[in-house]
Amino acid sequence: GNSVTQMEGPVTLSEEAFLTINCTYTATGYPSLFWYVQYPGEGLQLLLKATKADDKGSNKGFEATYRKETTSFHLEKGSVQVSDSAVYFCALPNQAGTALIFGKGTTLSVSS
Amino acid sequence: DTAVSQTPKYLVTQMGNDKSIKCEQNLGHDTMYWYKQDSKKFLKIMFSYNNKELIINETVPNRFSPKSPDKAHLNLHINSLELGDSAVYFCASSQETSYEQYFGPGTRLTVT
Repeated sequence: GNSVTQMEGPVTLSEEAFLTINCTYTATGYPSLFWYVQYPGEGLQLLLKATKADDKGSNKGFEATYRKETTSFHLEKGSVQVSDSAVYFCALPNQAGTALIFGKGTTLSVSS
Repeated sequence: DTAVSQTPKYLVTQMGNDKSIKCEQNLGHDTMYWYKQDSKKFLKIMFSYNNKELIINETVPNRFSPKSPDKAHLNLHINSLELGDSAVYFCASSQETSYEQYFGPGTRLTVT
């Protein structure tokens, strides 16, 4: 079945540093791919998505490109802020298309 | 207006008790979900309901039972609570054909 693997955290960065959180997937076909973010004490929010190969999703300065050659969907941001401190989840639909499968989450801490 | 709401936000109870968590969405979505997030932030699907019908039930003990009185509500009943049930429970919803899920704020359940 479908699965997703993302890099273990925590990731600790200084403000304005460059961020990469790796995500690779295994899937039948080419499902949509998602990044969700969970701020402290809150539920998950959709950060960005890509629905087909070579698509680039972007939001709030974050970007991720759907790469079928490397089965990856890495999250990047050129200059992180303290307010970006959160847990980030990579996700894709299960094979039946009835629910999302989430990665284990990567905790990002940004200090000023 | 809150899109997906859950009550209560915190729930502390003793082993053996029966409790319920309520979820409501005002987005007009057809599909609702319950997820369990453990202390390591790992998020796992428990149930998925589409138009009041159960479409996915992962390996969840039968002490957990979802109830959907209508399309906008999906409640979670838990019988004979155990220490291992302590976690944060998230409700979510989506359109039937979309995997873009909207999450509630979560219910932190603590079983003592």
